[in-house]
Amino acid sequence: GAVVSQHPSWVICKSGTSVKIECRSLDFQATTMFWYRQFPKQSLMLMATSNEGSKATYEQGVEKDKFLINHASLTLSTLTVTSAHPEDSSFYICSARASGGAWYEQFFGPGTRLTVL
Amino acid sequence: AQKVTQAQTEISVVEKEDVTLDCVYETRDTTYYLFWYKQPPSGELVFLIRRNSFDEQNEISGRYSWNFQKSTSSFNFTITASQVVDSAVYFCALSGGGTSYGKLTFGQGTILTVHP
Repeated sequence: GAVVSQHPSWVICKSGTSVKIECRSLDFQATTMFWYRQFPKQSLMLMATSNEGSKATYEQGVEKDKFLINHASLTLSTLTVTSAHPEDSSFYICSARASGGAWYEQFFGPGTRLTVL
Repeated sequence: AQKVTQAQTEISVVEKEDVTLDCVYETRDTTYYLFWYKQPPSGELVFLIRRNSFDEQNEISGRYSWNFQKSTSSFNFTITASQVVDSAVYFCALSGGGTSYGKLTFGQGTILTVHP
């Protein structure tokens, strides 16, 4: 149980285009999902917290107009990188907290590797 | 604010050696959880252990063991008789129950390489 998927697992796009990454909880409902970014050989940094049916909360320094997050259902959150540039190339990981689950427990997706040319 | 420090950037050992990965944390919360994750080259995080702030008992799981000491704010991870398959990046993380409610703060990670 508690499986989280991400799609796509990797994507290559041209500079200036937008890319959408999906995060799905497959066997549970998730009121809250988190989006992390990991640059090569660095740690995971929390970008934003996504709550179903409400606006996402972004961490300091993360541009909300560039990284659009939509949590339209209890099993799906999407991250759209708008007008992507090479510096946005990174590994994006989502996690989900089960509705009614422990506040400290997150289940991680496998990650999406974004390369912007 | 929460902070996790893994001072060892990279560790290299030969198979069968024991290795300890250090983790020091900072938090003002009285209730918090500490985690260790393994990240193999595929990138997917593998959950290893979770410990709450009220349980200082050390834990052993096979070749893995964890030493939690609140007095020194440390949560160290030891691999006994290391194997090549243990090669990965290991992250220590903290989740506090206060203002950071449920947000995970990760350490910088330690790259472990086990040579045959």
